[in-house]
Amino acid sequence: ETGVTQTPRHLVMGMTNKKSLKCEQHLGHNAMYWYKQSAKKPLELMFVYSLEERVENNSVPSRFSPECPNSSHLFLHLHTLQPEDSALYLCASSRDRLAGLETQYFGPGTRLLVL
Amino acid sequence: EDKVVQSPLSLVVHEGDTVTLNCSYEVTNFRSLLWYKQEKKAPTFLFMLTSSGIEKKSGRLSSILDKKELFSILNITATQTGDSAIYLCAPSLNSGGYQKVTFGTGTKLQVIP
Repeated sequence: ETGVTQTPRHLVMGMTNKKSLKCEQHLGHNAMYWYKQSAKKPLELMFVYSLEERVENNSVPSRFSPECPNSSHLFLHLHTLQPEDSALYLCASSRDRLAGLETQYFGPGTRLLVL
Repeated sequence: EDKVVQSPLSLVVHEGDTVTLNCSYEVTNFRSLLWYKQEKKAPTFLFMLTSSGIEKKSGRLSSILDKKELFSILNITATQTGDSAIYLCAPSLNSGGYQKVTFGTGTKLQVIP
């Protein structure tokens, strides 16, 4: 148990569906991240929020839309996904402090299958 | 562009063997190097290395960093079947007020009885 929770843990959706992934952290962190992990590929950073402002978007397609309403919650809204978007989506959080040497704490992930 | 290379890509050993996993990296604004173990779902943190030449140990696992050669190794002694996992190397750097972490593809370790 890392203090980062994600729901749902598994999701199957059609290409025309709209769904949302939720992440919540109970660690008092100020930065939250979405990662995508596809089979046989490295973890890919999708979005970063620091103090609720998006500071990095690694050229992710617009069918993925993040939302960070406060420092404890992060959402990933999904619409008109493609089968190649099937992957494990991981949320992480960290302290947002340049002087600190912190690690990222990961949630358990959401296994997404797009049919 | 940040680059992380891990070797070997996969490894099969017998229980009791010792293994060494390698990680080389090229990143800007390097801050620390992180090792993670990933079994079925989310990665779990193992080590954070910030200084060259200082070995960090946790039970049968140990790791060391060479900041001059941009290299780190993870050693596992007396391997057990529970060590079977993907081991991820991830240099972290400071970028725009947050910690950016770039992951390698990992080394898949399988320990057989």
